[in-house]
Amino acid sequence: EIVLTQSPGTLSLTPGERATLSCRASQSVSSTYLGWYQQRPGQAPRLLIYGASTRASGIPERFSGSGSGTDFTLTISRLEPEDFAVYYCQQYGASPLPTYAFGQGTKVEIK
Amino acid sequence: EVQLVESGGGLVKPGGSLRLSCVVSRFTFSNAWMSWVRRAPGKELEWVGRIKSKSNGGTTDYAAPVKGRFTISRDDSKNTLYLQMNSLKIEDTAVYYCTVTDNSGWHVLDYWGQGTLVTVSS
Repeated sequence: EIVLTQSPGTLSLTPGERATLSCRASQSVSSTYLGWYQQRPGQAPRLLIYGASTRASGIPERFSGSGSGTDFTLTISRLEPEDFAVYYCQQYGASPLPTYAFGQGTKVEIK
Repeated sequence: EVQLVESGGGLVKPGGSLRLSCVVSRFTFSNAWMSWVRRAPGKELEWVGRIKSKSNGGTTDYAAPVKGRFTISRDDSKNTLYLQMNSLKIEDTAVYYCTVTDNSGWHVLDYWGQGTLVTVSS
């Protein structure tokens, strides 16, 4: 079973700053199956990144993803007020049974 | 824009049953793989289960905590996804989201509904 650990738990930043969020897998995983989501308070999660580095449709360029193996990163180049939210990474595993694992989330809050 | 609207949540006693529904619009539902995901209070997102499209066999897969108690089904004529929850436990209390699940090889959750709250309490 793959376990995803996100760090830090909370990131306190000001608008305009750069945010770097980490997602570490308990074993090497395929970057093809790595996604990132944003969840604003009271809203549904939204897909930001798939395939570890490809922005989903309509996602601003300030969001970027990178990484491979066990270490993945979501970077927000310059925080906008609407970016203060919780971010989750997610990994798909097909063996022995299909499963979609999520990290515990990183909260990006206004400092 | 794709729209997913869940309904059917509410308060139920431990051991009880509940059926959630999710109506999907502005999307070719019959071709879609669909998943249910939940978020318990103060916890992270947790995948509940998935159903493939009928053209891909219509098979279902479930997370271990709900296997044998929850059943996912679909009615393509109504663009509706269902989650039948039996033998409910207190730890099933959560907001339940239906999602359109990518089936082109990325295996991410493309679109999400707003969620419906299920509370299991005596």
